[in-house]
Amino acid sequence: DTEVTQTPKHLVMGMTNKKSLKCEQHMGHRAMYWYKQKAKKPPELMFVYSYEKLSINESVPSRFSPECPNSSLLNLHLHALQPEDSALYLCASSLTGGVGDTEAFFGQGTRLTVV
Amino acid sequence: TQLLEQSPQFLSIQEGENLTVYCNSSSVFSSLQWYRQEPGEGPVLLVTVVTGGEVKKLKRLTFQFGDARKDSSLHITAAQPGDTGLYLCAGGRYNTDKLIFGTGTRLQVFP
Repeated sequence: DTEVTQTPKHLVMGMTNKKSLKCEQHMGHRAMYWYKQKAKKPPELMFVYSYEKLSINESVPSRFSPECPNSSLLNLHLHALQPEDSALYLCASSLTGGVGDTEAFFGQGTRLTVV
Repeated sequence: TQLLEQSPQFLSIQEGENLTVYCNSSSVFSSLQWYRQEPGEGPVLLVTVVTGGEVKKLKRLTFQFGDARKDSSLHITAAQPGDTGLYLCAGGRYNTDKLIFGTGTRLQVFP
């Protein structure tokens, strides 16, 4: 099983809404990632959790708040987003942090539209 | 700063043609991964190369890691319409949690 499951697949939210994106994996991976991908661009790293601790925050605005409740789950809480935050949000996981010698598996993504 | 540059950026070819995509950097990576992504979907891992000079084959796809581990190439033989997609290389380094993506190559194969 190399599956990373993201929900919801599509999300439309207003600028005053609060919503959450969810990601789940049952591969025993100990590193989990959030990426943001705009149309026709490569994925951009947002956050990395390694062994359930936040190890990297790529200077992401505080309106994005990650959470890792346990080693299988990763959430991204959204609040007061802007229309320019509309994008495909990708979750990924890898066996351990330190991806120098491991592989990352991606979910199908959540297509977020902020109106 | 984009550390991994891919070329070409776009490629539009006929079914049956061969092609090569390049992924170049001035930095050394401990591993290079190649992904293919279709519209609205997440990237799907194709291969990981970890040793300088390593060559891996996956059916009609051949991947090579440069001797100095700064560059990689993907060669597709007899391309098919099902090969259409966005090809992404991604580099990893030991003792970091970052996976750095290349700029991407968008491939379109026409029947």
